Amino acid sequence: EVQLLESGGGLVQPGGSLRLSCAASGFSFSSYAMSWVRQAPGKGLEWVSVFNGNGGSTYYADSVKGRFTISRDNSKNTLYLQMNSLRAEDTAVYYCARRESSGYFYFDYWGQGTLVTVSS
Amino acid sequence: SYEVTQPLSVSVALGQTARITCGGNNVGSKNVHWYQQKPGQAPMVVIYSDRNRPSGIPERFSGSNSGNTATLTISRAQAGDEADFYCQVWDSNTAVFGGGTTLTVL
Repeated sequence: EVQLLESGGGLVQPGGSLRLSCAASGFSFSSYAMSWVRQAPGKGLEWVSVFNGNGGSTYYADSVKGRFTISRDNSKNTLYLQMNSLRAEDTAVYYCARRESSGYFYFDYWGQGTLVTVSS
Repeated sequence: SYEVTQPLSVSVALGQTARITCGGNNVGSKNVHWYQQKPGQAPMVVIYSDRNRPSGIPERFSGSNSGNTATLTISRAQAGDEADFYCQVWDSNTAVFGGGTTLTVL
């Protein structure tokens, strides 16, 4: 069974940093591209970043480029999101999601999310 | 950057057909995916690549995509279908979500 479990969320002051983790199980983690998607309270989904599978390329939304860094440790089946220079508008539930690999590229599995609150 | 646009809300009578649109410049040339999100839950894909249903999704859910509009159609709407629905495409290695549509079943 595919499982994605996020952790690391919490309350942080503006300008601070936080690192999120997503522990994956039930599939060959290294073979899949993984993304972070966030959802501000009462708002819609916003894609944040993707880390491709074995290729290693990364991409970011303009809203987080230069502040957030996505990484992965395939030996630990874990995806990370390092978030620096946090702003109030980064407050959201952060989901990790697996990108389907057979060519359709939809997000086929999602974690339950971890809440990040940026506030003084 | 590429954008896709959805109506904020759609209402449908119980048992009738709901249609949720996703508009974008030549969106018909892209693969459109649809997600359903119920309160307090993570999103779940209900249609992928325009018109394909994952296993476990009822046949009442269908999709189409042509020109500048993709459409999610929910036939014989049930109370349990009430949720937020999001369309999503990829553009230049960037995932783009629509703003979401709240479906209300009357």
